[in-house]
Amino acid sequence: DSGVTQTPKHLITATGQRVTLRCSPRSGDLSVYWYQQSLDQGLQFLIQYYNGEERAKGNILERFSAQQFPDLHSELNLSSLELGDSALYFCASSVVEAGLDTQYFGPGTRLTVL
Amino acid sequence: QQQVKQSPQSLIVQKGGISIINCAYENTAFDYFPWYQQFPGKGPALLIAIRPDVSEKKEGRFTISFNKSAKQFSLHIMDSQPGDSATYFCAASKNRDDKIIFGKGTRLHILP
Repeated sequence: DSGVTQTPKHLITATGQRVTLRCSPRSGDLSVYWYQQSLDQGLQFLIQYYNGEERAKGNILERFSAQQFPDLHSELNLSSLELGDSALYFCASSVVEAGLDTQYFGPGTRLTVL
Repeated sequence: QQQVKQSPQSLIVQKGGISIINCAYENTAFDYFPWYQQFPGKGPALLIAIRPDVSEKKEGRFTISFNKSAKQFSLHIMDSQPGDSATYFCAASKNRDDKIIFGKGTRLHILP
């Protein structure tokens, strides 16, 4: 158990809908990262937040947005969903250990768009 | 543009054998190279990580070898066990607290 929690575990929805994925980082971790894992694209970085502020953006679509709240939990909002958005969505939080930044991943949310 | 290339895509090894997974990177600004292990239905879990000022790092049966001049690094799993069957990802990032760029993954199967 990494200490990172994600809800829900599974989500099934229809095209055109909007969903919100939630992530709670490990206690004390200020950074939260979101990743998308699909069969054809592998693990792709979406976005990073640090202590409530957006720090880095990756291959995140304009239909997707995220935020980190004062209690450090984060939400990833996916709107106007398309079939191709079906994937596993992971969040990770990080801590610096022995000089190395270590990202701990949550169990993921499996999104199925029908 | 894929910045971390990983091979092979899949690997079958006999129990007790050595599993070797190779990765190559392009961006010389990368200075942190972690390996993640992922079991079906689970999130990736950090296995071992290395910085480029070290040529080798060993933790138990897992060893990372790093060749800075060739921009290559590899994971060796000694005395491979069926419980090691999983997907392994090599990765790289530019600095502490930066996004991780993952390789495509290697599906490892250890025969009992």
